[in-house]
Amino acid sequence: NAGVTQTPKFQVLKTGQSMTLQCAQDMNHEYMSWYRQDPGMGLRLIHYSVGAGITDQGEVPNGYNVSRSTTEDFPLRLLSAAPSQTSVYFCASSRTGRYGYTFGSGTRLTVV
Amino acid sequence: TQLLEQSPQFLSIQEGENLTVYCNSSSVFSSLQWYRQEPGEGPVLLVTVVTGGEVKKLKRLTFQFGDARKDSSLHITAAQPGDTGLYLCAGTDGGSQGNLIFGKGTKLSVKP
Repeated sequence: NAGVTQTPKFQVLKTGQSMTLQCAQDMNHEYMSWYRQDPGMGLRLIHYSVGAGITDQGEVPNGYNVSRSTTEDFPLRLLSAAPSQTSVYFCASSRTGRYGYTFGSGTRLTVV
Repeated sequence: TQLLEQSPQFLSIQEGENLTVYCNSSSVFSSLQWYRQEPGEGPVLLVTVVTGGEVKKLKRLTFQFGDARKDSSLHITAAQPGDTGLYLCAGTDGGSQGNLIFGKGTKLSVKP
């Protein structure tokens, strides 16, 4: 099993550009989430999904869009990148949410 | 807004010493999860506690969930250099298991 796969691992964007961070899991997990991790701020929840077609906002959703058309995939879209979105992004999935998540290895994004 | 306060933020100890990391909140959680993260990697789940007063052991690591389900602790006995890493607690509330909130983490360094 591959677990949770995130692509790309590294990305540099110019301010105003758009891009999609990809996340795929092969464990048939219903719950999927996106986090950003910044020094001194910990992991902050951006958006999450409890099943295909169902998404909800987390703590820091502004500037990001998500959709969940399949159980396996949960892409994160940056519509117009800003330097404040420079961060490490993690995708995670879980069968139930309550009993723990499996994380991907992260995407390091720099916006210049 | 639910908050999880972790303490201490940093901990540097010698091999063989014992340590305790605390995770506190004013909110009740339906589960408390502990993760360990190494540089450049995603967090890895260590344990989940769901019942007030629950104690779980993982080799030299002991996890406890408070009776009121508002706090948790991680105790490491006879720490080893391999225990070095960032320890994160995270909680889910009963309303939405997809809304997993993280503390800011405890950075542990164990010197030989």
